[in-house]
Amino acid sequence: KQEVTQIPAALSVPEGENLVLNCSFTDSAIYNLQWFRQDPGKGLTSLLLIQSSQREQTSGRLNASLDKSSGRSTLYIAASQPGDSATYLCAVKPGGSEKLVFGKGTKLTVNP
Amino acid sequence: KAGVTQTPRYLIKTRGQQVTLSCSPISGHRSVSWYQQTPGQGLQFLFEYFSETQRNKGNFPGRFSGRQFSNSRSEMNVSTLELGDSALYLCASSLERSYTDTQYFGPGTRLTVL
Repeated sequence: KQEVTQIPAALSVPEGENLVLNCSFTDSAIYNLQWFRQDPGKGLTSLLLIQSSQREQTSGRLNASLDKSSGRSTLYIAASQPGDSATYLCAVKPGGSEKLVFGKGTKLTVNP
Repeated sequence: KAGVTQTPRYLIKTRGQQVTLSCSPISGHRSVSWYQQTPGQGLQFLFEYFSETQRNKGNFPGRFSGRQFSNSRSEMNVSTLELGDSALYLCASSLERSYTDTQYFGPGTRLTVL
C-alpha cells in the first residue's frame, strides 16, 4: 500500500529565506508526483507535476525534484514571501491507479 | 477558461439525512475524481469517473455513491449521514487519463453534520 510522508509538518521562516519541503513515498511504482498548495478553507492549487520519467520541474520561484528509486521528492521555494504561507501537499499517482495518494502536508508560515 | 466549480460551498445537515454535492469540471475535461478531506485522515480518494463510468473506488462504505453525466458534470451522494462525514469534499478534473494529466481541484464543499 502506497504511503506518503511529508516532513516537517510545520515550518516557520523569515521572509526572503530559501527553503525545502520534503516528501517521501513507499512504493516507487508511480506514474507521477504532484505538488499542491492549499490556503485555509480552500481547495487545492496545482503547483508542479513531475512525470515518473522526469527528474525535476520548475515554475518561477518553485523547483520540484523527483528521485523515484529512493522514493523522495523535494519542493524548493526561493526567496520566500509572506504570500507563500499555506499548506503544501505532495501527492503521488500509483501505477495502475486513477487516484492520488496524498501526504498530510507541510504548513508553511513566512514571517514579514 | 473557468475552473472546477462545486456547489453548494457549504452545507449543514443532521444525522440520518442524505446530501448531494455537485461538481462541474473544466470545459473539455472528461475525468472527475472526488476526495474527502478531514483533519485526522487528510485527503482520501472516494471515486473517479470517466465518460459516465466509475473507474475506481476508494475504501468508503456504500453510503457514498456518485455518478457522472454526459456533459461530464458529476454528483456525489451520501446517505444516512453520520457525524464522521463532516469534511471538506473536493472534486478534481483532468483531460483524459488522470494518471498522466494534471488534476485541477475545485474550492470544495464544506459539509457539517450535526
